[in-house]
Amino acid sequence: SQQGEEDPQALSIQEGENATMNCSYKTSINNLQWYRQNSGRGLVHLILIRSNEREKHSGRLRVTLDTSKKSSSLLITASRAADTASYFCATDSRGQGGSEKLVFGKGTKLTVNP
Amino acid sequence: DGGITQSPKYLFRKEGQNVTLSCEQNLNHDAMYWYRQDPGQGLRLIYYSQIVNDFQKGDIAEGYSVSREKKESFPLTVTSAQKNPTAFYLCASSGASGRAVEADTQYFGPGTRLTVL
Repeated sequence: SQQGEEDPQALSIQEGENATMNCSYKTSINNLQWYRQNSGRGLVHLILIRSNEREKHSGRLRVTLDTSKKSSSLLITASRAADTASYFCATDSRGQGGSEKLVFGKGTKLTVNP
Repeated sequence: DGGITQSPKYLFRKEGQNVTLSCEQNLNHDAMYWYRQDPGQGLRLIYYSQIVNDFQKGDIAEGYSVSREKKESFPLTVTSAQKNPTAFYLCASSGASGRAVEADTQYFGPGTRLTVL
């Protein structure tokens, strides 16, 4: 069951430009998280935003959350070639026995050209 | 040097064989997870465990089995019943226990790429 859906599927920009990726989801959430994955590697957590928050910053990253539209966006400012990776949003989902688990989208593949 | 490790990095299996993928963490995390990732796709949850000696099926558990005898370890066995096992397998852990009210940040291992010959 995939809840988060990223848009676009792929994005190619020049170094120094900003990159914006969007995530839409279907059901109520407690939090939404963004992760990054370099090719052939594990995922790295970038930022977590809770349902009662609207915006969060971390370095060159800015995440917004609109719970009325069930959507989030990740903005990377002044992009660098090293930002080339796939970016995934993940939403929490209540599993068996009341435990929480994450549901990941299919990701946006970002290419930053030098 | 804390973290989560997976071994081996690459694994080749003949059809009909069972193989076990290792996942170890020294982060003192209660929860551990196994995901499968196919090319160009997101992560799909296979099994997860919130506490030692307990685990739950994820979205695609058929053909897989796990155990959680120790807090640090959560091995995944890909059985011969799994029809299409070639994929990238990722293990993760988080500090959240069954008492969590929301999903916690997950820390991922480097992955194991399994190929069926």
